[in-house]
Amino acid sequence: EDQVTQSPEALRLQEGESSSLNCSYTVSGLRGLFWYRQDPGKGPEFLFTLYSAGEEKEKERLKATLTKKESFLHITAPKPEDSATYLCAVQAAKAAGNKLTFGGGTRVLVKP
Amino acid sequence: DTAVSQTPKYLVTQMGNDKSIKCEQNLGHDTMYWYKQDSKKFLKIMFSYNNKELIINETVPNRFSPKSPDKAHLNLHINSLELGDSAVYFCASSRTQGYTGELFFGEGSRLTVL
Repeated sequence: EDQVTQSPEALRLQEGESSSLNCSYTVSGLRGLFWYRQDPGKGPEFLFTLYSAGEEKEKERLKATLTKKESFLHITAPKPEDSATYLCAVQAAKAAGNKLTFGGGTRVLVKP
Repeated sequence: DTAVSQTPKYLVTQMGNDKSIKCEQNLGHDTMYWYKQDSKKFLKIMFSYNNKELIINETVPNRFSPKSPDKAHLNLHINSLELGDSAVYFCASSRTQGYTGELFFGEGSRLTVL
């Protein structure tokens, strides 16, 4: 069974204090690994898709990387507006439809 | 103009009642989903429809019945509600099944069963 574990569960940062979120996964053949951002009371919002080990993607202060067992979301010099829950999800190569298996998320709070 | 909209946003009801949640997407996508997010924030897929055809039906009690009248709409009806059904239910859509792309989520419907 596909599994996704995210750590830490919560992260408190000062504005400008860079950090990394971890997503460890086990999947029977990875089709894609996804990062989403979720604000309170809202639905998840897509950030990145990574397909193969060694791949990296960037968007503003966020950078996602992928290895064969885990993915990292690096937040560089975060601002208060980066406060959100970050969700990681995997899609197996043989997954029916576009089934995504999600981790429990990392709640990030950036204080000014 | 909301891409994926679901109604109602909040439902509070008694055990044993029946309730429905409606979802509509205006993105022209072929595939729609229902996900459940429990109190620990885990998102789990319940159902997936591709162009009105049921593709994914995870281990969900048969009290939950999805219906897709057309590819832009996916509704969720829940019979005989139980306390454990309390959660946030998210509708989502994507371009097509088998496409490794982003899912667009609605804002969620928070169901509270008393």
